[in-house]
Amino acid sequence: NAGVTQTPKFRVLKTGQSMTLLCAQDMNHEYMYWYRQDPGMGLRLIHYSVGEGTTAKGEVPDGYNVSRLKKQNFLLGLESAAPSQTSVYFCASSYPSGRGGRSYNEQFFGPGTRLTVL
Amino acid sequence: AQRVTQPEKLLSVFKGAPVELKCNYSYSGSPELFWYVQYSRQRLQLLLRHISRESIKGFTADLNKGETSFHLKKPFAQEEDSAMYYCALSGGHGGSQGNLIFGKGTKLSVKP
Repeated sequence: NAGVTQTPKFRVLKTGQSMTLLCAQDMNHEYMYWYRQDPGMGLRLIHYSVGEGTTAKGEVPDGYNVSRLKKQNFLLGLESAAPSQTSVYFCASSYPSGRGGRSYNEQFFGPGTRLTVL
Repeated sequence: AQRVTQPEKLLSVFKGAPVELKCNYSYSGSPELFWYVQYSRQRLQLLLRHISRESIKGFTADLNKGETSFHLKKPFAQEEDSAMYYCALSGGHGGSQGNLIFGKGTKLSVKP
């Protein structure tokens, strides 16, 4: 199994350009997530999906859109890139499992995409 | 509000010394706590979860509900432990089930 993969690994954009980041997982996970990682800020959730065809906003959704047309893929789009979106983007997936009526999950992360917006 | 606080941005210790990475949380219900680790140029990976009460790579973490803490400890640090460590919390309910709230991370540097 490849686990969680992300394409591209690196990208440089000019302000105003658009792009799509692709995340794919082969673990049949229901949940998928997009985070951004910035120095001193930790990981912040952008959008997430609890199943095919559903998406929801996270902590920092502005300037991003997502789609989950297939269970194994979760796309993150930037319609008009801004320098503030320079960051490392991580995708993750999970399949929440239950124990004694409680749920917990382990999120599996992709290798990240380093995006620079000039 | 749900919050995870890691008070130290950087923790530097010598090889063989004990290490403790602090994590405090704020949550109104019964949280599920995790420690994730990110080695240089690698992806984040799960290190520990409190529900498993396990020891991984010599690290342990105990959930202290009275002090709302989940500190990560290791009695003898190794150079290969140098990495970024993130504490994370999950509320585990509702539509956002499974969402993790991360602390800002602590960079551990183990010197030879």
